[in-house]
Amino acid sequence: AQSVTQLDSQVPVFEEAPVELRCNYSSSVSVYLFWYVQYPNQGLQLLLKYLSGSTLVKGINGFEAEFNKSQTSFHLRKPSVHISDTAEYFCACSMIKAAGNKLTFGGGTRVLVKP
Amino acid sequence: DSGVTQTPKHLITATGQRVTLRCSPRSGDLSVYWYQQSLDQGLQFLIQYYNGEERAKGNILERFSAQQFPDLHSELNLSSLELGDSALYFCASSVQDANTGELFFGEGSRLTVL
Repeated sequence: AQSVTQLDSQVPVFEEAPVELRCNYSSSVSVYLFWYVQYPNQGLQLLLKYLSGSTLVKGINGFEAEFNKSQTSFHLRKPSVHISDTAEYFCACSMIKAAGNKLTFGGGTRVLVKP
Repeated sequence: DSGVTQTPKHLITATGQRVTLRCSPRSGDLSVYWYQQSLDQGLQFLIQYYNGEERAKGNILERFSAQQFPDLHSELNLSSLELGDSALYFCASSVQDANTGELFFGEGSRLTVL
């Protein structure tokens, strides 16, 4: 079984400041890793994913994440946030050799961007 | 707009009742997934169908059932409803069932059980 822990439930940040959202995972097998964003009253949307290769992954809207196998982490960063980045962010993983496409999500981190 | 359509958007019902949530996946997507989002449990995977067949099962209660029809739309049936079933139920779809794929989520059906 696998689990995902998002260490911060809420992150307030000022506009144009950098933000880092922390994610750690636990799994007995190799996993793929994902970050999804949920804007108010909307469904989830994929920001980026790590499948293999370079450990630095770039996604949409200027976000990037770094996979660190030794620390079992997949932290999300953005160098300068906008008001429109106010949303809830979910880290997720799936087992590489599993049947089906089951995603295990973390508890989410609410980002509130202040002007 | 993700292309995934869920109905109804909101539903209020009483304990003991039964409801059906409907999902139309993106055009061309063969896999449909159901997730439950609640304040205490977070986002929980319920079940996945691929081209009409059950593919993976998560924390789905025995009171809940789902199916995917030949036209690929899916329904999630919730019966003998309890207060704790109040949640946002998301449907998602993807082209295939490989877990490298991107899931496209609908806007959810918010169920309130009184």
